[in-house]
Amino acid sequence: GIQVEQSPPDLILQEGANSTLRCNFSDSVNNLQWFHQNPWGQLINLFYIPSGTKQNGRLSATTVATERYSLLYISSSQTTDSGVYFCAVVIGNQFYFGTGTSLTVIP
Amino acid sequence: DSGVTQTPKHLITATGQRVTLRCSPRSGDLSVYWYQQSLDQGLQFLIQYYNGEERAKGNILERFSAQQFPDLHSELNLSSLELGDSALYFCASSVIPGLMETQYFGPGTRLLVL
Repeated sequence: GIQVEQSPPDLILQEGANSTLRCNFSDSVNNLQWFHQNPWGQLINLFYIPSGTKQNGRLSATTVATERYSLLYISSSQTTDSGVYFCAVVIGNQFYFGTGTSLTVIP
Repeated sequence: DSGVTQTPKHLITATGQRVTLRCSPRSGDLSVYWYQQSLDQGLQFLIQYYNGEERAKGNILERFSAQQFPDLHSELNLSSLELGDSALYFCASSVIPGLMETQYFGPGTRLLVL
C-alpha cells in the first residue's frame, strides 16, 4: 500500500531554533500538502506544494517529487508553533496522511 | 475561526448505537470533506462531497454513510458503533472540489463509544 512516512516523530526545540521536518512517500503523487494541528486539536493548512518551494513567513516547504520527499522548514520557532505537523498526499482520487511530527517549542 | 461549524462538539454513546454528526461549511464553499482521527489509525480521509454529489471515497466503513444537502450542510451517519469508532471526526470545506485545494477545518466532533 501507499506509505507516507514523516520524520522525526517527535521534536523538542528551544524557542528561536530552526528545524526541518521530512515527509517521504512511496508513490508518485498528484499533490502534497502540509498541515498543522495545534495543541487544542485545530487543523490548519500550511502549504499546498506538489513540487518546488514555497515560503510563508517563518515557514517554507520544498517538494522534490522525482525523489518522493518533501521538507518543511520552521525558522526562529515560537511556542505557538507547537503541535503536530502532518503531510498528506493525493494519489489518484485518494488522500493519504503521514503519521505526523510532534513539535514542542519550549520558551 | 475557520467558518466551518460542527455539531455536536462531544458525543458519548454505547456500542451498537447510531449517531449523526453535522457539518456546516464556510459560506460559499461547495465541497465538504470528512476525516477521522484516532489514536491507532491516525488521520484518515473518509469521504468528499461536492455540491450534493459524492466526489471521492476513502477509508469509510460500510457502517458509515454521509450526504450533503441542498443547503450544502453535510451529515455523517455512524451506525452499529464499535469501541474502535471512538475518534475525533473532522469536517472541512473548500470552494472547489480538488482534493488538494485549500481546506478549512471545523473544530471536530469527539466521539466516545462505551
